[in-house]
Amino acid sequence: DIQMTQSSSYLSVSLGGRVTITCKASDHINNWLAWYQQKPGNAPRLLISGATSLETGVPSRFSGSGSGKDYTLSITSLQTEDVATYYCQQYWSTPYTFGGGTKLEIK
Amino acid sequence: EVKLVESGGGLVQPGGSLRLSCATSGFTFSDFYMEWVRQPPGKRLEWIAASRNKANDYTTEYSASVKGRFIVSRDTSQSILYLQMNALRAEDTAIYYCARDAVYDPGLFAYWGQGTLVTVSA
Repeated sequence: DIQMTQSSSYLSVSLGGRVTITCKASDHINNWLAWYQQKPGNAPRLLISGATSLETGVPSRFSGSGSGKDYTLSITSLQTEDVATYYCQQYWSTPYTFGGGTKLEIK
Repeated sequence: EVKLVESGGGLVQPGGSLRLSCATSGFTFSDFYMEWVRQPPGKRLEWIAASRNKANDYTTEYSASVKGRFIVSRDTSQSILYLQMNALRAEDTAIYYCARDAVYDPGLFAYWGQGTLVTVSA
């Protein structure tokens, strides 16, 4: 199984600040990497697929990058509505696996 | 508009059974892979089952944690996805989500239901 590791389980960033969330796969996943946003009490929402492709309706302040085993979700100019937990997920092979999540809060 | 609505969760004793339903609308059910993903309280998301589309004969796949105990199936006439859960354990306690895959990407969960809570406890 491919293990997904998010190095930070918690981040506190100022409003308007820049956020970087990292995710590392235990094996190469060829950019078959997704990022989801989950707000308390809600289902996850797909933000980014293919490591870099923003889903329709997702604000342009979100972006994804990376290759091989290492991937990053960035948020420029943090807004209050961005407070959530963010998960990476590989869909290169089954069992599909998720990172442990990074909880983002406003400082 | 794609809609997924889960139901059937509740409290069940260890060793018991429960069947979850996921009513779908807004897309051609037979064309898409469907998945079950669960989230234990305060923990990470876990993929547990896949139901492939008609083109792939509705074949199924399971995670090791549920294989042999859970069965995913479809009622194609009503566009409903099911998850039959048997021999339930305390560690199966979680919110269970059904999800629809993206058009060309199996395993990419493009749409999610609101989830249904399953609690396994004596």
